[in-house]
Amino acid sequence: RKEVEQDPGPFNVPEGATVAFNCTYSNSASQSFFWYRQDCRKEPKLLMSVYSSGNEDGRFTAQLNRASQYISLLIRDSKLSDSATYLCVPEGGGSQGNLIFGKGTKLSVKP
Amino acid sequence: NAGVTQTPKFRILKIGQSMTLQCTQDMNHNYMYWYRQDPGMGLKLIYYSVGAGITDKGEVPNGYNVSRSTTEDFPLRLELAAPSQTSVYFCASSSRVFGEQYFGPGTRLTVT
Repeated sequence: RKEVEQDPGPFNVPEGATVAFNCTYSNSASQSFFWYRQDCRKEPKLLMSVYSSGNEDGRFTAQLNRASQYISLLIRDSKLSDSATYLCVPEGGGSQGNLIFGKGTKLSVKP
Repeated sequence: NAGVTQTPKFRILKIGQSMTLQCTQDMNHNYMYWYRQDPGMGLKLIYYSVGAGITDKGEVPNGYNVSRSTTEDFPLRLELAAPSQTSVYFCASSSRVFGEQYFGPGTRLTVT
């Protein structure tokens, strides 16, 4: 099983839509999780950290289900500027305890 | 705070040339990392450092070297550049080992 599995998308949604990304992880010992966004040809930027069952920041909500080793990111009222690739990153996912940055899920918000 | 800065932004190398990619952070983070990202792929860890004078290999260290003489700087050295090293290189830092990482803007390297 891969350390992290995400639907690569692309998710094409209209402005104002609600969209959810799912992520499963293999390391049951992971305690913290991060959602990053990466714009085309740019560096990953930290969107949200998740330490307990979830986190909310404005239009963004992350939920964690440790029993199922599953984490989700919900974006409400999508904006054009939300178009990016979203990376689910469990802490300690790699063999050295390192973060694993996969290919992520691509979101395209259309007018 | 500038965060993490990287130079140069772009570079074209000929096969066999060498170069150093510079990375500096002003957040007083002990932990620093170098990644490469090939087109359409995720990031791969090249090297990391847990403090001045201490470095360790990541997943893909071959063809690269690092040093860490200060908390702020973590240069990446490419010796004998090869086309396979054509990639985007990102430097990152964190306050906890493998915790939330903050990235620099990247260096786009082409080896021809």
